[in-house]
Amino acid sequence: KNEVEQSPQNLTAQEGEFITINCSYSVGISALHWLQQHPGGGIVSLFMLSSGKKKHGRLIATINIQEKHSSLHITASHPRDSAVYICAVRLMDSNYQLIWGAGTKLIIKP
Amino acid sequence: DTAVSQTPKYLVTQMGNDKSIKCEQNLGHDTMYWYKQDSKKFLKIMFSYNNKELIINETVPNRFSPKSPDKAHLNLHINSLELGDSAVYFCASSQAGQGKGYTFGSGTRLTVV
Repeated sequence: KNEVEQSPQNLTAQEGEFITINCSYSVGISALHWLQQHPGGGIVSLFMLSSGKKKHGRLIATINIQEKHSSLHITASHPRDSAVYICAVRLMDSNYQLIWGAGTKLIIKP
Repeated sequence: DTAVSQTPKYLVTQMGNDKSIKCEQNLGHDTMYWYKQDSKKFLKIMFSYNNKELIINETVPNRFSPKSPDKAHLNLHINSLELGDSAVYFCASSQAGQGKGYTFGSGTRLTVV
């Protein structure tokens, strides 16, 4: 079992739908990151969370430390949101070591 | 202005050659990283430097050697390239304690033929 599990692996939705991507982890962490990798390959850091909830535009990220679970939500999804979304956790005793999830490939159809 | 810039973006080279990939960040971050993205799209940490000091050195062949002339630069030199080195290599930077995430470069797609 991987230390960081994402679900679903693939997600196809229609423009405008509310999207949820989940991340569960089994290790002690100091922070969790959500990243976006565009079809062209570039990686963008979306959020870094250690507790609660963060919002940026149409993106919302939440984390439940007790349940070791985080979700990334996209409201009013748009074809330009199509990308791979990656969850990565920073280990408790390290400022630098990240464990990456396998990513969720999201396709938003017009 | 580009925050983390990698060069080149694409690199095609023959087996046995030596090549370098350069990375520069203008964010004032104190930590820089090299990641390798494998065929399954996992990102694996290779090296990390904090203020020019090597702090993470994962199990990679010693043909890979990072060089950090200053905290804004982290270059990756690869000797005797092999077919299995073909991958996308990402440079990233972060600042400890700032509460912000990582900033990534756009990646270097290395193809060894």
